[in-house]
Amino acid sequence: GAVVSQHPSWVICKSGTSVKIECRSLDFQATTMFWYRQFPKQSLMLMATSNEGSKATYEQGVEKDKFLINHASLTLSTLTVTSAHPEDSSFYICSASGVDTEAFFGQGTRLTVV
Amino acid sequence: SQQGEEDPQALSIQEGENATMNCSYKTSINNLQWYRQNSGRGLVHLILIRSNEREKHSGRLRVTLDTSKKSSSLLITASRAADTASYFCATDAWYNQGGKLIFGQGTELSVKP
Repeated sequence: GAVVSQHPSWVICKSGTSVKIECRSLDFQATTMFWYRQFPKQSLMLMATSNEGSKATYEQGVEKDKFLINHASLTLSTLTVTSAHPEDSSFYICSASGVDTEAFFGQGTRLTVV
Repeated sequence: SQQGEEDPQALSIQEGENATMNCSYKTSINNLQWYRQNSGRGLVHLILIRSNEREKHSGRLRVTLDTSKKSSSLLITASRAADTASYFCATDAWYNQGGKLIFGQGTELSVKP
């Protein structure tokens, strides 16, 4: 299957700071990327869908001003958690799909806000 | 919520036994996928079954799909301790753009040696 690389794999930040997570498709052009969040012992919840060159579509209840998504190229999408707080601590996973392809998942990023 | 349901939420079996997990969903789908996740790690894609398929096999895995009941099952035969993980079903709804998956709540499988 195709390779999606997510970076960093883990990050610890201070409360009030911002953190950027990158999601790259390494061997295909990702027309669409998806961002999920997973709290401990829970399932993955879709946060937003981003299409290259356009604004992301956020799921109900997800604050778009807090979780900034940029999909500036066909191989890179970024998620920035702004003014992070301890309740934002979670496992964030991206997936990428191309034209008529299934979605391929990154390895995930564990964010801890202290 | 579009999220599907899985049962059981937790399953504990002995090595060598079979494990069956069930998944129900709410909307018509293009396909349904099963994933495994080891604690604190990323997802491992196990199998994809399309809406026009009823059963699929991959090694020790057997997946069934009943679109009339909006349900699927994952059977792991001759389980091993290494199969201990959380298992999630995920659906790709017919009205969504490709790749947008809605995950079930997951089944936590523990296989004791």
